[in-house]
Amino acid sequence: AQTVTQSQPEMSVQEAETVTLSCTYDTSENNYYLFWYKQPPSRQMILVIRQEAYKQQNATENRFSVNFQKAAKSFSLKISDSQLGDTAMYFCAFGAGGTSYGKLTFGQGTILTVHP
Amino acid sequence: EPEVTQTPSHQVTQMGQEVILRCVPISNHLYFYWYRQILGQKVEFLVSFYNNEISEKSEIFDDQFSVERPDGSNFTLKIRSTKLEDSAMYFCASSDQGLMGEKLFFGSGTQLSVL
Repeated sequence: AQTVTQSQPEMSVQEAETVTLSCTYDTSENNYYLFWYKQPPSRQMILVIRQEAYKQQNATENRFSVNFQKAAKSFSLKISDSQLGDTAMYFCAFGAGGTSYGKLTFGQGTILTVHP
Repeated sequence: EPEVTQTPSHQVTQMGQEVILRCVPISNHLYFYWYRQILGQKVEFLVSFYNNEISEKSEIFDDQFSVERPDGSNFTLKIRSTKLEDSAMYFCASSDQGLMGEKLFFGSGTQLSVL
């Protein structure tokens, strides 16, 4: 079974600054994906970025990038030039093979607050 | 961007009553999921559904739970006899091809309170 751990219940950052959210996971799978989902006050979870385990290059999406350390089973999210709209709960999630590829294992979440 | 719609946003029920949570997935999506989040805990997978069948279910998804796609647009989660511990936020999600790593589109959730 997979486990995902987010050790930072809350984080805060000043607008325009950079913040890094941590995530570690444990699995015996060789091929899998890792995700960061954002949950704003509207409650709808939105995909921020994803990383395939076989790809060594870290994924980037505009201001969002990841630091994927496969050997260490670490998957952190870096948000550059933080904006007020980035304020949300952020979930790290793991997805692998099996019967259903849509079965994700989530971490506990990190509440990020961006201050003006 | 297309959205997954869930109704109602809040549902209050008495213990032992049946509830049906409703979801309208994105119209061309074929794979459907339910997740739940008990207050203060992780988001947990409940069930996945494809081609009118359950693809996979978790240990949480016992005999009191069922899912159905009654028509071409709705996807429902029924809890037959609610318990206090069923109080949670329930999220519906859908995806296009069910591929590994594919983006899941989530709804805004239904907050279920069992009294």
